[in-house]
Amino acid sequence: GAVVSQHPSRVICKSGTSVKIECRSLDFQATTMFWYRQFPKQSLMLMATSNEGSKATYEQGVEKDKFLINHASLTLSTLTVTSAHPEDSSFYICSAPGDRDYGYTFGSGTRLTVV
Amino acid sequence: AQSVTQLGSHVSVSEGALVLLRCNYSSSVPPYLFWYVQYPNQGLQLLLKYTTGATLVKGINGFEAEFKKSETSFHLTKPSAHMSDAAEYFCAVRARGGSEKLVFGKGTKLTVNP
Repeated sequence: GAVVSQHPSRVICKSGTSVKIECRSLDFQATTMFWYRQFPKQSLMLMATSNEGSKATYEQGVEKDKFLINHASLTLSTLTVTSAHPEDSSFYICSAPGDRDYGYTFGSGTRLTVV
Repeated sequence: AQSVTQLGSHVSVSEGALVLLRCNYSSSVPPYLFWYVQYPNQGLQLLLKYTTGATLVKGINGFEAEFKKSETSFHLTKPSAHMSDAAEYFCAVRARGGSEKLVFGKGTKLTVNP
């Protein structure tokens, strides 16, 4: 079935540094990738939608300059958290629409801790 | 706009008991409906989905859900809970013919007691 590989699974970084999270579609082409943020014990909040070869679409209230999204190829989308602060600590998950039989495929998530 | 309501943020059942997790959607046109399960520090795994056809949908791990248009519901059930079913469950919807965005409910944490 469709698989989205997300890396890293966990990252700890110092305040003020930037962190890049990668999501790769392994056996299908992902023209669209959704990026979510999940706070502890809460639901998934859609941050942005990336489309291969074009600018990402950000949800209202999401800072596009802080959360840089790149979707340069049909198999790779990246989220860079720039100048991270402790309040950016969260669980980030990517998801791509798979083929009709599989619905959406989710990455395994990245636990970001900013210290 | 699409919205999803999951009644009960926590559900606790005994091992072997019936599992019932409730989901209601709000839209004028029935959307595509999904149930996902999430284990701690992991992504989401699709349990089942309803797109068209038979309204009773069978999924993985013995779960099933029934789409009831008249009740705008898509409740998730499992006849007999296992300890391994303890997890967070999310109901999600996607509008038909429109955006591919998924809208999630707030989730229900299922606890299974021995």
